[in-house]
Amino acid sequence: DAKTTQPPSMDCAEGRAANLPCNHSTISGNEYVYWYRQIHSQGPQYIIHGLKNNETNEMASLIITEDRKSSTLILPHATLRDTAVYYCIVRLYKAAGNKLTFGGGTRVLVKP
Amino acid sequence: EPEVTQTPSHQVTQMGQEVILRCVPISNHLYFYWYRQILGQKVEFLVSFYNNEISEKSEIFDDQFSVERPDGSNFTLKIRSTKLEDSAMYFCASNFIEGAPLGYTFGSGTRLTVV
Repeated sequence: DAKTTQPPSMDCAEGRAANLPCNHSTISGNEYVYWYRQIHSQGPQYIIHGLKNNETNEMASLIITEDRKSSTLILPHATLRDTAVYYCIVRLYKAAGNKLTFGGGTRVLVKP
Repeated sequence: EPEVTQTPSHQVTQMGQEVILRCVPISNHLYFYWYRQILGQKVEFLVSFYNNEISEKSEIFDDQFSVERPDGSNFTLKIRSTKLEDSAMYFCASNFIEGAPLGYTFGSGTRLTVV
């Protein structure tokens, strides 16, 4: 699976959009971009995934550049409960044993 | 919304003792996983399980670890002789279709403390 690079931390104001960048310059054509988050010491929570088109769900939007070498997770109106570590993971769409490989992620602090 | 349930939430055990961590995956899921997170460190993959056998395991998952799906609903992780360095949060996860681009569902974890 391709390696990802994320900033270690960022702050965001409550009510504002949070834009979380991720670089994955070695991504291959059949690898998806996944985003998870981990609130305090809870289990990681799936947020969104995409291949090459931009995606939106009730939690967030995912913008993937045309060359697929980077992406941005957008939390449109951050709340205090969005304070968490956010992980960008590139993962091969394949058969058995496709584990998730977590990096250090971005620690997001939403401030009042 | 369906959940992955883990018990106990916190387990304290003496070094050298056996522990069994329990998980109830989402009922229609076919693939099951264990991950762990040592305090302050990354979430690490331990093992994946499908069709009643291990499909992949990491270097961490040595002979001291085993997994089992004893009754079609529970999924367990056993550590035969615990060491201090086994102290960590252990997360169970499940997934419906291997290879389909769906997100995993993780449980809330078991905090294992080895003293």
